[in-house]
Amino acid sequence: DQQVKQNSPSLSVQEGRISILNCDYTNSMFDYFLWYKKYPAEGPTFLISISSIKDKNEDGRFTVFLNKSAKHLSLHIVPSQPGDSAVYFCAASGAGGTSYGKLTFGQGTILTVHP
Amino acid sequence: SQTIHQWPATLVQPVGSPLSLECTVEGTSNPNLYWYRQAAGRGLQLLFYSVGIGQISSEVPQNLSASRPQDRQFILSSKKLLLSDSGFYLCAWSKGGNSPLHFGNGTRLTVT
Repeated sequence: DQQVKQNSPSLSVQEGRISILNCDYTNSMFDYFLWYKKYPAEGPTFLISISSIKDKNEDGRFTVFLNKSAKHLSLHIVPSQPGDSAVYFCAASGAGGTSYGKLTFGQGTILTVHP
Repeated sequence: SQTIHQWPATLVQPVGSPLSLECTVEGTSNPNLYWYRQAAGRGLQLLFYSVGIGQISSEVPQNLSASRPQDRQFILSSKKLLLSDSGFYLCAWSKGGNSPLHFGNGTRLTVT
């Protein structure tokens, strides 16, 4: 049972344009959501998070949007840069946030930003 | 600043051999510690977590075990590896609560 789904295995974007990565979840108990970026042969790096009491969180070029009624979140990267090319994972946790680290991850989306 | 070390980076082991992967965290005390695994083409799956020395919780039944002999040391072990144990193993730490997990660089394990 895949509780967190990233339905697009890959995304290709031109440098300077917007990248939009999507994520859907099924468990209504999730209340904290995170995005991670992963380069080959490295561990995931935390990018940005959002609590369920918010619908938007912004950090520089990265913005995460949360639509609780649709159980959908998205990561916007503007402007996209070639160095953003990586695998992006969304993750979610239930009540208590990451107090026990029980993050449920999506399968990941490979983002390629072309110069 | 906090750092997390995980080794080895790659490992090739025959079926039936033992396994020991080690992870240490520096720059913080009493962290929550985790072992995740990424199987080919899949997301990350939580295997074990620990909120203190000697305290281990297992998330999925499996051929692996974990131990936390010291505050900032977390070990993943197996007595006899199976082919299905192949994957990318990641150690992580967090401060708990709504704080993100910070991952090590992972160990690529291939069981032959």
